[in-house]
Amino acid sequence: DTGVSQDPRHKITKRGQNVTFRCDPISEHNRLYWYRQTLGQGPEFLTYFQNEAQLEKSRLLSDRFSAERPKGSFSTLEIQRTEQGDSAMYLCASSLAGGSGNTIYFGEGSWLTVV
Amino acid sequence: AQRVTQPEKLLSVFKGAPVELKCNYSYSGSPELFWYVQYSRQRLQLLLRHISRESIKGFTADLNKGETSFHLKKPFAQEEDSAMYYCALRGTPDKLIFGTGTRLQVFP
Repeated sequence: DTGVSQDPRHKITKRGQNVTFRCDPISEHNRLYWYRQTLGQGPEFLTYFQNEAQLEKSRLLSDRFSAERPKGSFSTLEIQRTEQGDSAMYLCASSLAGGSGNTIYFGEGSWLTVV
Repeated sequence: AQRVTQPEKLLSVFKGAPVELKCNYSYSGSPELFWYVQYSRQRLQLLLRHISRESIKGFTADLNKGETSFHLKKPFAQEEDSAMYYCALRGTPDKLIFGTGTRLQVFP
């Protein structure tokens, strides 16, 4: 499967612990997005990268969240001092450079449960 | 404000019945709209986009700027159409803004 891949697929952590998710985009895609999805809601935008540059961050992304894409390929999303409200599906997506006509492809997501 | 509204959480129909999943949007400027679908245990995937004016799996969607709508339609639903459907708007800067989704259930 050469689509967007995410790891781990499921993570259960205790409140206060740090967690990190990894995303490998489709090869040659220079745009990479992170979304969050909770039950009953559609995906909500968190942040995106053009190559290694983080171009926008949503106000949903508190200072406990940090995302990186150091070499313009894979990306990591770290959540520090997790809270129960962080329990959600974290989706990664990628595309060629932005603009109409470029499809955004999604990964299968990483489920986070904070207990 | 950039927003997508899907008023129905659940739509249930019998096989062979027509289907219309509603989507309304709020956007100043020329919108670019999409329908994404998520089948059980699968990833979110693009179904169709308005600029392509295509029919995918028998589904069509027409952008109505006057009514700010982008409803998804299919004349004869099939059981394999059962899935979660999300309407999305390409906002500014470049990102997708999703509605809350509609679950379509097609009964035999």
